[in-house]
Amino acid sequence: GDSVTQMEGPVTLSEEAFLTINCTYTATGYPSLFWYVQYPGEGLQLLLKATKADDKGSNKGFEATYRKETTSFHLEKGSVQVSDSAVYFCALNSANTGNQFYFGTGTSLTVIP
Amino acid sequence: DAGVTQSPTHLIKTRGQQVTLRCSPKSGHDTVSWYQQALGQGPQFIFQYYEEEERQRGNFPDRFSGHQFPNYSSELNVNALLLGDSALYLCASSPRDRVWNTEAFFGQGTRLTVV
Repeated sequence: GDSVTQMEGPVTLSEEAFLTINCTYTATGYPSLFWYVQYPGEGLQLLLKATKADDKGSNKGFEATYRKETTSFHLEKGSVQVSDSAVYFCALNSANTGNQFYFGTGTSLTVIP
Repeated sequence: DAGVTQSPTHLIKTRGQQVTLRCSPKSGHDTVSWYQQALGQGPQFIFQYYEEEERQRGNFPDRFSGHQFPNYSSELNVNALLLGDSALYLCASSPRDRVWNTEAFFGQGTRLTVV
């Protein structure tokens, strides 16, 4: 079945450091890929998405490129801020799953000043 | 636009009891999905409602049931609560006509604690 595997955390970075959170997926069809962010005590917020191979999603300085050949969707940011501290979830859905999302287990990021 | 709203925000129940959680979807959205997020885990799909019927279901027992009303709002019911049902329950809404590659808008969740 469809699934998402993402880099385990927690991740601790200094402010202005470069961030990469790895995400790989398994899907029988042609999924759309997403990154959601969850701040403490809150629900999920869409960070970015890509709907087909080679698409790049971007938002708030974060980027991720849909790589079909490596079945990956790694999240990157060139310079993290303290306010980026949160849990990040990689997710997919596809025609095979209807509108059901499959999520990774989440990666906790803490940015220290 | 109020987005997706859920109530209550926190709930404490005793093992064996029943609980009802509520969700109002984002304006213009007609499809509601429910997810269970255990501590330290990613959300797991419970079921999805559209046109007042359950359309898809994840790997959850029959103790979990739902309902969708004509105004698209939804309820999640859990019977015979177990300690393992303690989790954050998230409601997500989406517009059906955008099929499968639309993003879902999530509510803030209901934190259920079973003691």
